[in-house]
Amino acid sequence: QTVVTQEPALSVSPGGTVTLTCGLSSGSVSTRYYPSWYQQTPGQAPRTLIYSTNTRSSGVPDRFSGSMFGNKAALTITGAQADDESDYYCVLYMGNGIVVFGGGTKLTVL
Amino acid sequence: EVQLLESGGGLVQPGGSLRLSCAASGFTFSSYAMSWVRQAPGKGLQWVSAISGLGGSTYYADSVKGRFTISRDNSKNTLYLQMNSLRAEDTAVYYCAKGGGCSSASCQYSFDYWGQGMLVTVSS
Repeated sequence: QTVVTQEPALSVSPGGTVTLTCGLSSGSVSTRYYPSWYQQTPGQAPRTLIYSTNTRSSGVPDRFSGSMFGNKAALTITGAQADDESDYYCVLYMGNGIVVFGGGTKLTVL
Repeated sequence: EVQLLESGGGLVQPGGSLRLSCAASGFTFSSYAMSWVRQAPGKGLQWVSAISGLGGSTYYADSVKGRFTISRDNSKNTLYLQMNSLRAEDTAVYYCAKGGGCSSASCQYSFDYWGQGMLVTVSS
């Protein structure tokens, strides 16, 4: 079974830039997987950040951007702020109606 | 304003059943696929199931296939998840989410709106 991979944890300094990636245990991610990204703080519902690789959801600041990075999808946060400290999840569409979440990345801003 | 309001969660014994509901408003319900996503305590998000806009196509994660049934009533703008043969590992917060599939008009392979979540606890 294919697993969607993410860095378990990353850290970034306030004002810094960090890139989170989303890969596959077997194979490469491409735009046809329609990668999307979600932010979640403890006790809250997820918030949609990016869909279809690089389209920002309504109201999402432009310091969040999505892209392809080699054989992975990527979420880059530029000018990180304290309230960006959250869990981040990517989602890939695997075809035949099946969607898979990555394991999540815990981002610390310090 | 899009709103998704889940109900029906609670405590159930192993082997029992529960039906979750998600009342939707603020968009043309029948024009969008809908999904259920869950999160076990202290764990990550897991996709559970999706249904097409008109309800003709349904999809399930392997972990719930044969036990859970997703459905929708477009006349009531409501999404359902019937959960049978519940196990301890089904304990989670269950989220209703807009998207995750296709309608007759288009496909949306991501989720753009989420409910607040509903806790389901399977325990004796």
